[in-house]
Amino acid sequence: GAVVSQHPSWVICKSGTSVKIECRSLDFQATTMFWYRQFPKQSLMLMATSNEGSKATYEQGVEKDKFLINHASLTLSTLTVTSAHPEDSSFYICSASQGFGGYTFGSGTRLTVV
Amino acid sequence: QKEVEQDPGPLSVPEGAIVSLNCTYSNSAFQYFMWYRQYSRKGPELLMYTYSSGNKEDGRFTAQVDKSSKYISLFIRDSQPSDSATYLCAMITGQSGGSNYKLTFGKGTLLTVNP
Repeated sequence: GAVVSQHPSWVICKSGTSVKIECRSLDFQATTMFWYRQFPKQSLMLMATSNEGSKATYEQGVEKDKFLINHASLTLSTLTVTSAHPEDSSFYICSASQGFGGYTFGSGTRLTVV
Repeated sequence: QKEVEQDPGPLSVPEGAIVSLNCTYSNSAFQYFMWYRQYSRKGPELLMYTYSSGNKEDGRFTAQVDKSSKYISLFIRDSQPSDSATYLCAMITGQSGGSNYKLTFGKGTLLTVNP
């Protein structure tokens, strides 16, 4: 079956630093990647959608300059949280799609900013 | 009103019980419906996927969709402790033929099945 690898699974960083999260589709080409954010006991909130080779489309209220998304190949997308602050602490999850109806989620990254 | 409403629970049942999980939605443009299971600190995994009104069965799981009432359900028969997780309903919007199909999730229901 389709597998999506997301790294790191958890990261602690100091306030003001940047953190990069990688999402790789291991056995399929992901034409579209989605990035979500999930707070404790809350649902997944879509942050942005990216197609390979194109600029990401951000959801309303998501700062594109803070959450940099790169989807340079059909198997890799990255989310960089720039100048992280404690309020950015959350669970970040990617999802890769190779077409309509096929969504495979990564295992998530727990970010803690201290 | 949120597009997708789901009671967050928590829901606690004894082993072997039948579990009923539900979501309502307001956007009639939603055409495709999914149920995901999410264990603590893990990504969601797809359980069921359906696009038509009616029932779809897969083992102990049955997904039910009523588009006229904008109501979907997931039933779990003979529930097991290993079913303890958060269950999220999700629905697809987007334009036909496009590549950006965005999932809209419910809040998730935390289920605990007690041995």
